[in-house]
Amino acid sequence: SQKIEQNSEALNIQEGKTATLTCNYTNYSPAYLQWYRQDPGRGPVFLLLIRENEKEKRKERLKVTFDTTLKQSLFHITASQPADSATYLCALDDPNSGSARQLTFGSGTQLTVLP
Amino acid sequence: DSGVTQTPKHLITATGQRVTLRCSPRSGDLSVYWYQQSLDQGLQFLIQYYNGEERAKGNILERFSAQQFPDLHSELNLSSLELGDSALYFCASSDNSYNEQFFGPGTRLTVL
Repeated sequence: SQKIEQNSEALNIQEGKTATLTCNYTNYSPAYLQWYRQDPGRGPVFLLLIRENEKEKRKERLKVTFDTTLKQSLFHITASQPADSATYLCALDDPNSGSARQLTFGSGTQLTVLP
Repeated sequence: DSGVTQTPKHLITATGQRVTLRCSPRSGDLSVYWYQQSLDQGLQFLIQYYNGEERAKGNILERFSAQQFPDLHSELNLSSLELGDSALYFCASSDNSYNEQFFGPGTRLTVL
């Protein structure tokens, strides 16, 4: 089964700086990787999806990179704001799950943006 | 608002009991997923249904079962409940298995 590691359980940064979150996986390479945001007590919210043949994806202040050689994805939030404070989850599909494409989620990184 | 609804929002019950959690997917979504999230386990995939048929199974206990009905809503049945079953249970939906998933607000289950 896939093992996913997200960097440090908690990350604190100053407002206006760029937050960089890491997602490393150890086994098979996924066909795509997704990032979600989760606020306390609420369901995860989809942010970005990047496919294995894509190096980078951007959406407003968000940027995701995907390096299948390093087995790593980086998630960047530029010009961070206190409202960006949340837990960020990476999720990888399981290419061995056939047409189901089951997602495996990392344990998340709790980001706090300090004013 | 993701468009996915879950009921009830909270559920408090005793060990040994049985409960049913309900999920209505976004309009048009054929896939429904169930997840369990506890403090020490993170978000764990339980089961997926696609257009009424079971598509994938994750770490779902034998005491748990699910189904998806013709109107595409889904129910997760948890029986012989144990203290360790206390968790947040999320339902998510997508239009197919390859796209992003839209999560509901969750049902918080407390087993006393």
